Amino acid sequence: DIQLTQSPSSLSASVGDRVTITCRASQTINTYLNWYQQKAGKPPKLLIYAASNLQSGVPSRFSGSGSGTDFTLTISSLQPEDFGTYHCRQSYSLPYSFGQGTKLDIK
Amino acid sequence: QVQLEQSGAEVKKPGASVKVSCKASGYSFTSYDLNWVRQAPGQGLEWMGWMNPYSGNTGYAEQFQGRVTFTSDNAITTAYMELNNLRSDDTAMYYCAVRGWYMVRGVNYYFDNWGQGTLVTVSA
Repeated sequence: DIQLTQSPSSLSASVGDRVTITCRASQTINTYLNWYQQKAGKPPKLLIYAASNLQSGVPSRFSGSGSGTDFTLTISSLQPEDFGTYHCRQSYSLPYSFGQGTKLDIK
Repeated sequence: QVQLEQSGAEVKKPGASVKVSCKASGYSFTSYDLNWVRQAPGQGLEWMGWMNPYSGNTGYAEQFQGRVTFTSDNAITTAYMELNNLRSDDTAMYYCAVRGWYMVRGVNYYFDNWGQGTLVTVSA
């Protein structure tokens, strides 16, 4: 089974900051990686699919990169509405799996 | 637009079973696999398995094997997740989710939609 490890587990940043979250897979997953944002009491919302493709309607300050085992989600200029928990998910092989999540607070 | 509407919250006793429904609309129900994911309070997302409504084929995460069953009623575009022999650590929000590609006027679009979640509480 493929394990995904996100770092950091939590972070606090200021409006306007550049924020980077990483997701490392225990074996290669090509680019079969999605990034989600989740707010309290809500289902996850897709931000990035196939590692680097911005989902329609998602602000362009969000971007994704990586392939193989190492992936990055970047928020170029943090906005107040970007607080929440961010999850990565691999769909390269069954069983699919998620990272443990990164909780982002706004300072 | 794609919508997944789940059934309401449930409270169950240990050892009981729960069946959660997921009513799909806005897309071809039998053309895409449906996944089930759960999230215990304050915890991360846990993938439970998948189902293909067209074929009826299913795949379950090992930790749920023998205790969970995915079914669907294609006539009413509704999927079901039944979890048996409930324990206190099954207390969680349960989500159905669908993703895939569709084409409009020669352009491919990706979608990844989730239900609103169903809270299942297991308590004596």
